[in-house]
Amino acid sequence: GAVVSQHPSRVICKSGTSVKIECRSLDFQATTMFWYRQFPKQSLMLMATSNEGSKATYEQGVEKDKFLINHASLTLSTLTVTSAHPEDSSFYICSARVWTEIRYGYTFGSGTRLTVV
Amino acid sequence: EDQVTQSPEALRLQEGESSSLNCSYTVSGLRGLFWYRQDPGKGPEFLFTLYSAGEEKEKERLKATLTKKESFLHITAPKPEDSATYLCAVLLNQAGTALIFGKGTTLSVSS
Repeated sequence: GAVVSQHPSRVICKSGTSVKIECRSLDFQATTMFWYRQFPKQSLMLMATSNEGSKATYEQGVEKDKFLINHASLTLSTLTVTSAHPEDSSFYICSARVWTEIRYGYTFGSGTRLTVV
Repeated sequence: EDQVTQSPEALRLQEGESSSLNCSYTVSGLRGLFWYRQDPGKGPEFLFTLYSAGEEKEKERLKATLTKKESFLHITAPKPEDSATYLCAVLLNQAGTALIFGKGTTLSVSS
């Protein structure tokens, strides 16, 4: 099946630094990638949608200059948290839309736990 | 506003004690309803997709059903390894949209 590999699984960074999270589609081409954020005991909240070769579309309230998304190839999308602060500490998950012959499916990465100290 | 509500928030069962999780939705146009399982510190793992009212799908001890207003995830004779958070998500009719998730039901099954 379609697999999305997400790295790193955990990262601790100092306040003010930047962190990059990578998501790679291993056995398919991901034309559309979604980035979610999940706080403890909360639902997955969509941050942005990215289409390969285009600028990402951000949800209301998500700072595009803080959360930089790059989707330059069909197999790689990255999320960079710039000038991270403790309130950015969260669980970040990517998701790719996969065409399964008759319909679209959605597969998820394993998530990245970001802790900003 | 499109909304997905899951209940209960948490459910504790004894091994073998069957039960159901509920996902009710209010959306402008439903293309599909998805169920995922999420273990702590992991990404969601796909379980089922349902597309039309009356549709049912089964996988081992799990069975998902769909009506025009809600979906149920029935768990028959659960085992401790079924303990996880179960997420419901809807896909709207608009092209290119992402899944909209409920908050999930955290299931704990004790032996």
